[in-house]
Amino acid sequence: NAGVTQTPKFQVLKTGQSMTLQCAQDMNHEYMSWYRQDPGMGLRLIHYSVGAGITDQGEVPNGYNVSRSTTEDFPLRLLSAAPSQTSVYFCASSASGGGGETQYFGPGTRLLVL
Amino acid sequence: ELKVEQNPLFLSMQEGKNYTIYCNYSTTSDRLYWYRQDPGKSLESLFVLLSNGAVKQEGRLMASLDTKARLSTLHITAAVHDLSATYFCAVGSPNAGNNRKLIWGLGTSLAVNP
Repeated sequence: NAGVTQTPKFQVLKTGQSMTLQCAQDMNHEYMSWYRQDPGMGLRLIHYSVGAGITDQGEVPNGYNVSRSTTEDFPLRLLSAAPSQTSVYFCASSASGGGGETQYFGPGTRLLVL
Repeated sequence: ELKVEQNPLFLSMQEGKNYTIYCNYSTTSDRLYWYRQDPGKSLESLFVLLSNGAVKQEGRLMASLDTKARLSTLHITAAVHDLSATYFCAVGSPNAGNNRKLIWGLGTSLAVNP
């Protein structure tokens, strides 16, 4: 059972480039989310999804897009990378988002924008 | 707007000693989570606290929730080096339903020294 997987593990981008961070889970979880973690800032929610076809914004959604076409996958797109998006990105999933469930985190993607 | 504060942010303690980490939050919520993160790693769920007075224990760690005081504590008993990590609390946002939005504290970086 792979749990939550993320690719790539590391990425270096130039300002203005676009890319997609991949996230997949094999636990049939309805709820998936993307966080960014920055030193001194804790974790901040970027976007989340409560099921296929349903997404919503978190605390810091600007500059990021998401879609949820399947239960398993929840990619995060950076449309035009900026140095301020240098961060560690975590994807997480839980059973239904109905309260009380553990969120399982992926291993993270370290992104550097030059 | 929900705010979550942890203290202390940094904690250095000796093996064998006891200590408590505090997590305060600013608005009503009945869902509180504790996670552990080792350096360079992902986040691991420790406890999910769902009701006032909830207490959970795992090994040398015990977490409690007082929803009236908007306070959760993570108590460490007879600390050992393996407990060195960063500990985060996260609180379910009351405006988003269930745990669909979690607001995170900044984390407590714990170092247990011989």
